[in-house]
Amino acid sequence: DQQVKQNSPSLSVQEGRISILNCDYTNSMFDYFLWYKKYPAEGPTFLISISSIKDKNEDGRFTVFLNKSAKHLSLHIVPSQPGDSAVYFCAASGNFNKFYFGSGTKLNVKP
Amino acid sequence: EAGVVQSPRYKIIEKKQPVAFWCNPISGHNTLYWYRQNLGQGPELLIRYENEEAVDDSQLPKDRFSAERLKGVDSTLKIQPAELGDSAVYLCASSSPRRGLAGQETQYFGPGTRLLVL
Repeated sequence: DQQVKQNSPSLSVQEGRISILNCDYTNSMFDYFLWYKKYPAEGPTFLISISSIKDKNEDGRFTVFLNKSAKHLSLHIVPSQPGDSAVYFCAASGNFNKFYFGSGTKLNVKP
Repeated sequence: EAGVVQSPRYKIIEKKQPVAFWCNPISGHNTLYWYRQNLGQGPELLIRYENEEAVDDSQLPKDRFSAERLKGVDSTLKIQPAELGDSAVYLCASSSPRRGLAGQETQYFGPGTRLLVL
């Protein structure tokens, strides 16, 4: 039973526009959420995180929004750049260091 | 600061053969994770160590998989014998507590070992 879901396997966006990647979770005990970016043949790289006490966290072009009532989080990238093309994973944790990952969304930013 | 180091990067073996993966975490990181990532899926936890103690190995197929972290630093994951379904990327990650956020840790991943079992 997958506790973290990314229902869009891929997303294509024009350079300069906004990319919105979505993630849903089922476990209401999750209280910490992360986004990772993964390039081919590399391990996932930490991008941004958010605690359940917040509903928004921003870091440069990247903003993560958390909607606890909907058990939904999203990652906004503004403006999108070709170098952002990668697979993005969301992850959630609630049981002291055990992390659950979604299946990933492949973002393609077209020049 | 050096990142998480894994070796080998690629491994091709025939089924029923043994295979081992090595991981050296970021210096000072007490928590070490081994994940398996199948194609088109996210990483799935196999085992988590706090120092040298395996605190979560509920997802480790213990009939053929074993792991050790004897001195609480580097770790080895072994499969014996390997099966066709073990073909995947094996990721190692390490973490230390975020300052001021007890229990909320950020993991840092190594590049992974891509295993192909023929």
